[in-house]
Amino acid sequence: EAGVTQFPSHSVIEKGQTVTLRCDPISGHDNLYWYRRVMGKEIKFLLHFVKESKQDESGMPNNRFLAERTGGTYSTLKVQPAELEDSGVYFCASSQLTGASNEKLFFGSGTQLSVL
Amino acid sequence: SQQGEEDPQALSIQEGENATMNCSYKTSINNLQWYRQNSGRGLVHLILIRSNEREKHSGRLRVTLDTSKKSSSLLITASRAADTASYFCATDARAQKLVFGQGTRLTINP
Repeated sequence: EAGVTQFPSHSVIEKGQTVTLRCDPISGHDNLYWYRRVMGKEIKFLLHFVKESKQDESGMPNNRFLAERTGGTYSTLKVQPAELEDSGVYFCASSQLTGASNEKLFFGSGTQLSVL
Repeated sequence: SQQGEEDPQALSIQEGENATMNCSYKTSINNLQWYRQNSGRGLVHLILIRSNEREKHSGRLRVTLDTSKKSSSLLITASRAADTASYFCATDARAQKLVFGQGTRLTINP
């Protein structure tokens, strides 16, 4: 069974450009999460999808970030326009059960985003 | 503000020694989880301990939970070079999402 995959693994862009990150969750997992880790700090929650619906997007930093999950399968996270402080590692995670607070998450390897 | 805070931020020990990492949190929880991240890889779930449990074992891992002190510890016994990684605790402080700390970076020296 394939795990959570993220693409690209690394992205280097200039300030003001647009970047789109992609996440393919484990097949059959309704829950999809985006997290971000900046400069060795804590891993911060960005948002949570249940199937194609945004369940919680309280962690999205601002309106330069747009996440979608068309058809409830893969998800994209677009940053437009990118700023220097957006640099960090963006993790995607998925899980199967909805509403289960004790469920473990399966993480992708992350996308290392560098904004210059 | 972050829910989980790991301590120490970095730990370096000799292979074969035991490693202990601590996690403190602020609000009530249903469970607490520990994850490991190897360099350049994603986080991998290690162990989950529920709020009504005090101790749990999994192989060389031992986790304790003290809900009165809002703290947890992760003990890795007989450490190996492959245990070199960052370790994160995560709590379910907010419904349906895990809240992570900043992690402990563990280095096992041969």
